[in-house]
Amino acid sequence: DGGITQSPKYLFRKEGQNVTLSCEQNLNHDAMYWYRQDPGQGLRLIYYSQIVNDFQKGDIAEGYSVSREKKESFPLTVTSAQKNPTAFYLCASSIDPGTGWDEQYFGPGTRLTVT
Amino acid sequence: ELKVEQNPLFLSMQEGKNYTIYCNYSTTSDRLYWYRQDPGKSLESLFVLLSNGAVKQEGRLMASLDTKARLSTLHITAAVHDLSATYFCAVDSNAGNMLTFGGGTRLMVKP
Repeated sequence: DGGITQSPKYLFRKEGQNVTLSCEQNLNHDAMYWYRQDPGQGLRLIYYSQIVNDFQKGDIAEGYSVSREKKESFPLTVTSAQKNPTAFYLCASSIDPGTGWDEQYFGPGTRLTVT
Repeated sequence: ELKVEQNPLFLSMQEGKNYTIYCNYSTTSDRLYWYRQDPGKSLESLFVLLSNGAVKQEGRLMASLDTKARLSTLHITAAVHDLSATYFCAVDSNAGNMLTFGGGTRLMVKP
């Protein structure tokens, strides 16, 4: 089955620790995205990548880092510099932003709790 | 900067009733998406609207797009409890497929 997987589903960390969230897709999509969702809120874009080895900051990139070494994978690291990291993190992908058909498909999400 | 506003933010309605959720956005765009999110879950794509006047229907939900008015509507017909969820609209900024999401409308359908 094609789709987007995120792991783990729940993640607990102590304040001051870096943590990496996994996102893998087997849809052969070019573009991948990371969003953050806080309770009762919409989604905010953290980073996105349209091709391998290239990525751009979104609206709230401070305190986060990403890499895109493979087309299938787009891991997100939440660093200790992120002041309020507790949130629901969603990864998404889309076929090719240049084709005009750019519907984004979402993974199941990772709920991160930092204490 | 693209801003997307949904209203209402919260909607409680009786089964069998009709209602409309509104999505307004601030800059020119001709691509708009509607998603559904159940509590604690990811987003499920409902509709993709790609041109002015586009209308899509699936079951009791119908979405439309008026790019001149910068407005999309999600109309619910004869609501049922299973439609209870949070609905988001998202607008493409026309710059590399960056979506800006509205704040969501939490819908509760009561028996």
